[in-house]
Amino acid sequence: QVQLVESGGGVVQPGRSLRLSCAASGFTFSYYFMHWVRQAPGKGLECVAVISSDGSNKYYGDSVKGRFTISRDNSKNTLYLQMNSLRAEDTAVYYCAKDDYMDAWGKGTTVTVSS
Amino acid sequence: QSALTQPASVSGSPGQSITISCTGTSSDVESYNLVSWYQQHPGKAPKLVIYEINKRPSGVSNRFSGSKSGNTASLTISGLQAEDEADYYCTSYRGSTSPYLFGTGTKVTVL
Repeated sequence: QVQLVESGGGVVQPGRSLRLSCAASGFTFSYYFMHWVRQAPGKGLECVAVISSDGSNKYYGDSVKGRFTISRDNSKNTLYLQMNSLRAEDTAVYYCAKDDYMDAWGKGTTVTVSS
Repeated sequence: QSALTQPASVSGSPGQSITISCTGTSSDVESYNLVSWYQQHPGKAPKLVIYEINKRPSGVSNRFSGSKSGNTASLTISGLQAEDEADYYCTSYRGSTSPYLFGTGTKVTVL
């Protein structure tokens, strides 16, 4: 069955960096667009970044453009999110999701940006 | 536009039907048939319940249905059950240069 497992979250100071990973299994990872979606405490969902199946096209939400980079390694079935210049408002649960329809989600990893 | 507009809350009694609206613009909901709906229980990851306006993934109850008119999409839950109590989010594709846009979210309460 499809499984997505995020990792790499934690507590980080403002201005520092963090890299999230999403390990995929149970489907042909290289066939699908992948998303990073976040949810701040008590708030709604926000699509942070999207990457095409071969990694050649990447799209970012306005709030993270220039600070976050999405990438993937299809040989390792893994999706990444490099987060630089972190701010308090980046505090959230970060989910990876599969395909244009986001038809499968991981359980999320928590990022807390605090001094 | 930062988010599609949904009502903050909708409630209904068991067995009733409820409808959640999702209002966008001519740049997203109105222009594309790529509207999806997600159910999220507290502390859990979202789950896809409707895609492409009115299609149900395998395993999703046929009590969930979707529609669209102009710049507004809708999710209807018929035969409301206690397990339907959750937050619901819509999302719409908005072109090849931007990520998908989520709705503000609706809390469904089963009375």
